[in-house]
Amino acid sequence: DAKTTQPTSMDCAEGRAANLPCNHSTISGNEYVYWYRQIHSQGPQYIIHGLKNNETNEMASLIITEDRKSSTLILPHATLRDTAVYYCIVRVAGAGNKLTFGGGTRVLVKP
Amino acid sequence: GAGVSQSPSNKVTEKGKDVELRCDPISGHTALYWYRQSLGQGLEFLIYFQGNSAPDKSGLPSDRFSAERTGGSVSTLTIQRTQQEDSAVYLCASSFDASNRYTEAFFGQGTRLTVV
Repeated sequence: DAKTTQPTSMDCAEGRAANLPCNHSTISGNEYVYWYRQIHSQGPQYIIHGLKNNETNEMASLIITEDRKSSTLILPHATLRDTAVYYCIVRVAGAGNKLTFGGGTRVLVKP
Repeated sequence: GAGVSQSPSNKVTEKGKDVELRCDPISGHTALYWYRQSLGQGLEFLIYFQGNSAPDKSGLPSDRFSAERTGGSVSTLTIQRTQQEDSAVYLCASSFDASNRYTEAFFGQGTRLTVV
């Protein structure tokens, strides 16, 4: 699976958009970009995933660059409950769906 | 049940004892995963089940660790002769058939294991 690079931490103001970057310059053509988050003392929670088109769901939007070497997760209106560690993961679909979690970005939403 | 259930939620054991951790996946989910998360560390993959078989055991750290799944449902992770470095939160996740496409993995709340 391709390696991902994320900032260690970032702060965000409540009510503002949070833009979380992820670099995956070695991504291959059949690898998807997945985002999970882990709120303190809970198990990870799926957010969104995409291959090459931008994706949006009720939680977030995922913007993938045209060369697919980087992506951005957007939380449109951050709330205090969005404080968590956000993981960007790159892997092929299927084949057991084993997820390899890196260090993630620790996001602190401040009032 | 409504989600992935793990038991116990907390377990304190003495070094050298054996422990069993249980995972009840979401009904109908054929894929089941075990991970562990040591204090302040990221999540480490342990083993993956598809049905009752385990095609990927690559993350089990030593032969003291084993896991089984029966009836395509409940799974048990067993740690024999526990060591202090086994202290961690053990997380279980399940998903629909993961053989040829991505399906969202749902995680339980984990079992916090402390070896004293």
